[in-house]
Amino acid sequence: QQQVKQSPQSLIVQKGGISIINCAYENTAFDYFPWYQQFPGKGPALLIAIRPDVSEKKEGRFTISFNKSAKQFSLHIMDSQPGDSATYFCAASSSGGYQKVTFGTGTKLQVIP
Amino acid sequence: DVKVTQSSRYLVKRTGEKVFLECVQDMDHENMFWYRQDPGLGLRLIYFSYDVKMKEKGDIPEGYSVSREKKERFSLILESASTNQTSMYLCASRGAIYATNEKLFFGSGTQLSVL
Repeated sequence: QQQVKQSPQSLIVQKGGISIINCAYENTAFDYFPWYQQFPGKGPALLIAIRPDVSEKKEGRFTISFNKSAKQFSLHIMDSQPGDSATYFCAASSSGGYQKVTFGTGTKLQVIP
Repeated sequence: DVKVTQSSRYLVKRTGEKVFLECVQDMDHENMFWYRQDPGLGLRLIYFSYDVKMKEKGDIPEGYSVSREKKERFSLILESASTNQTSMYLCASRGAIYATNEKLFFGSGTQLSVL
């Protein structure tokens, strides 16, 4: 059972464009929503995260938009650069219990010059 | 910054072999995790440990076991490797359960091929 659904599986964006990756979750107990970025040959690294008490969080060119009622959140990469080419994973966890993190299936982003 | 080190970058094993994947973290983290990464399936949790000698099953524990004898080291064991266990294995660590920062720190992964 996929608790966090991510789309698209792959994305090609021109340099300077906006990259948008979407995720949807089912478990209403989730209260922490991170995005991880993974470059080839490396492990994932935390990029940005949001809690459901805010609808948007921005860090530089990266923005998370969060819609609690729709149980959806998305990552926007503004002014996309070739160096942003990587695989992006959305994830979710709840503060109760062991705080297991559930990941989406990943989006491979390619930014072309 | 936290360093999570996985002992092997690439590993090739035969079907039926017992396989050990080792992971060491240097930040005194209580929590450690083993994930496997497969194209189109994302990261799936195999096992995790919240303290020395403590372990909990993740979402896909079948065919795997783990060992945590020391706080800094978390081992994943494939008792009898099978071809469907060919995958990228990622180890991660995180601070105490009640820490406000829930950031996971990942190692670079071990690409295991079972022939």
